[in-house]
Amino acid sequence: GEDVEQSLFLSVREGDSSVINCTYTDSSSTYLYWYKQEPGAGLQLLTYIFSNMDMKQDQRLTVLLNKKDKHLSLRIADTQTGDSAIYFCAERGSGSARQLTFGSGTQLTVLP
Amino acid sequence: DAGITQSPRHKVTETGTPVTLRCHQTENHRYMYWYRQDPGHGLRLIHYSYGVKDTDKGEVSDGYSVSRSKTEDFLLTLESATSSQTSVYFCAIFSGTDTQYFGPGTRLTVL
Repeated sequence: GEDVEQSLFLSVREGDSSVINCTYTDSSSTYLYWYKQEPGAGLQLLTYIFSNMDMKQDQRLTVLLNKKDKHLSLRIADTQTGDSAIYFCAERGSGSARQLTFGSGTQLTVLP
Repeated sequence: DAGITQSPRHKVTETGTPVTLRCHQTENHRYMYWYRQDPGHGLRLIHYSYGVKDTDKGEVSDGYSVSRSKTEDFLLTLESATSSQTSVYFCAIFSGTDTQYFGPGTRLTVL
């Protein structure tokens, strides 16, 4: 089946930028998503990008997509302690079920 | 939160007992999904539904069944719970804006 890979951990200093990376294998991906999960909570949709775009910016968040290399990244500018969470990358293929395939998540720790 | 609720939010049960988890949505979405979340695996799809009485299997469907008799409710049943089914279960809907929104989750412990 299709696969989505993420690094497990990232630590940054408060005020720095964070970059979380993701690679995927499905060449027919239509949309790619970033979700945030805080401890004991559900998944919160942060942003998403259509596969024919290469960049999307939304306030402090910038998503970059390299479709040729099947690489997605999420940049968080001016990272704050409230950004500490697990970040999941997910891709949606072209199937009619519209299901998502998730990576294992990246634990972001923001140090004071 | 797209009007999604899950019940119960926490459950502890014993091996071999049946368990039913409920997902309820208020916005008439056609597609609904059940995922499980385990450390190191992200979220994996168990079953999904594309309408009343229309369901299909996902990646990890063994040991689970689902039913959808009304648009707003999607039930996940563990016929005979096992310890390997200890997990956090999330329901999701597919919205009209090409996104999936998730419920708050149900933490299930099978002893």
